[in-house]
Amino acid sequence: QKEVEQDPGPLSVPEGAIVSLNCTYSNSAFQYFMWYRQYSRKGPELLMYTYSSGNKEDGRFTAQVDKSSKYISLFIRDSQPSDSATYLCAMGEYGGSQGNLIFGKGTKLSVKP
Amino acid sequence: DTAVSQTPKYLVTQMGNDKSIKCEQNLGHDTMYWYKQDSKKFLKIMFSYNNKELIINETVPNRFSPKSPDKAHLNLHINSLELGDSAVYFCASSQSGTTGYTFGSGTRLTVV
Repeated sequence: QKEVEQDPGPLSVPEGAIVSLNCTYSNSAFQYFMWYRQYSRKGPELLMYTYSSGNKEDGRFTAQVDKSSKYISLFIRDSQPSDSATYLCAMGEYGGSQGNLIFGKGTKLSVKP
Repeated sequence: DTAVSQTPKYLVTQMGNDKSIKCEQNLGHDTMYWYKQDSKKFLKIMFSYNNKELIINETVPNRFSPKSPDKAHLNLHINSLELGDSAVYFCASSQSGTTGYTFGSGTRLTVV
């Protein structure tokens, strides 16, 4: 079993829809969790990060972590065509080497006008 | 101001050649990384450097060698390029004790 599993999609939704992106993981030592957004032919950019279980909201984006189920989600409300990108989850061990950040394979999202 | 910059953006070269990719960050971060992203978009760490010391070296062929002249620069040198080395290589940086990496825009390497 891979450390981080993420459905690659592609996922296509109409503008205004609520999008749910998910990752599961197997390493219970992971303590911090992130979501990156990557536009075509660009580098990943940090969208959200969280240390603990629960929800974290930032504008139209909500990150959710359930450590007991080893499951994280990113919700996008009122999705826009500009949200069309690949979304990568990433996670790492607290206090461990910074290089222990493990990425999911990414989910390609397309928001249709 | 570009936070993490990589050069070149595109690199097309023949098998067997040696090439280098340069990376510079102006964020004052103390750790830099090289990641490889394959055609399926899977992002995998190759190296990280913290205060000029290599702290992670995953199962990467020794044809790849990172070189860091100072904490703002981390270059990647590749010897005897192979077809399988074709990918996008991303440089990133972070500050110890904080979360989140800042990525460069990538170098698209094509070996023919």
